[in-house]
Amino acid sequence: GAGVSQSPSNKVTEKGKDVELRCDPISGHTALYWYRQSLGQGLEFLIYFQGNSAPDKSGLPSDRFSAERTGGSVSTLTIQRTQQEDSAVYLCASSLFGFFSDEQYFGPGTRLTVT
Amino acid sequence: SQQGEEDPQALSIQEGENATMNCSYKTSINNLQWYRQNSGRGLVHLILIRSNEREKHSGRLRVTLDTSKKSSSLLITASRAADTASYFCATVTTYNTDKLIFGTGTRLQVFP
Repeated sequence: GAGVSQSPSNKVTEKGKDVELRCDPISGHTALYWYRQSLGQGLEFLIYFQGNSAPDKSGLPSDRFSAERTGGSVSTLTIQRTQQEDSAVYLCASSLFGFFSDEQYFGPGTRLTVT
Repeated sequence: SQQGEEDPQALSIQEGENATMNCSYKTSINNLQWYRQNSGRGLVHLILIRSNEREKHSGRLRVTLDTSKKSSSLLITASRAADTASYFCATVTTYNTDKLIFGTGTRLQVFP
């Protein structure tokens, strides 16, 4: 009875390295969302997928960030040449239909630390 | 800039008391949602209220929406220690329905 899962749960990386974060949404959910939460802050919306398509990528902080979703299921968020300001918890969520009209179910997040 | 800002930033109450948190936003919305977050992870959706609705209830939760004032409130009645968490409002604006914009959150502490 799986909810949204994310891996890894924690990632420590050196500045300048690339990292890949993975999200497995709830089976059958068409929409998938990525957020970032810095320490003690609210959530920053990054990107959302409807199926395999991302209608709006303007929330991605820089061109070092990219995301893809394949098969309408698993999504990966890739951060290239990581910087210390990328340190945050990256949260993924999914919902049945999308367009923000129905409930989003969140995963436990990946805590990224860039040293 | 933040679309949603919660007030107060932090709230401490005793068990059994009611807790009220407010959210103000800047632009017209499609809907407004409230979420709870425990221990920096685990976001849980609480309630979604649409722009044409004024009030919704769910258990001990009551949400109101005043679009003329661009504000919403979340009331938790008969609070419990387990309600201790951060509460966020989030909005879907009418000009961009492809984003959900979170506010800064209210940290609620309920003492037993």
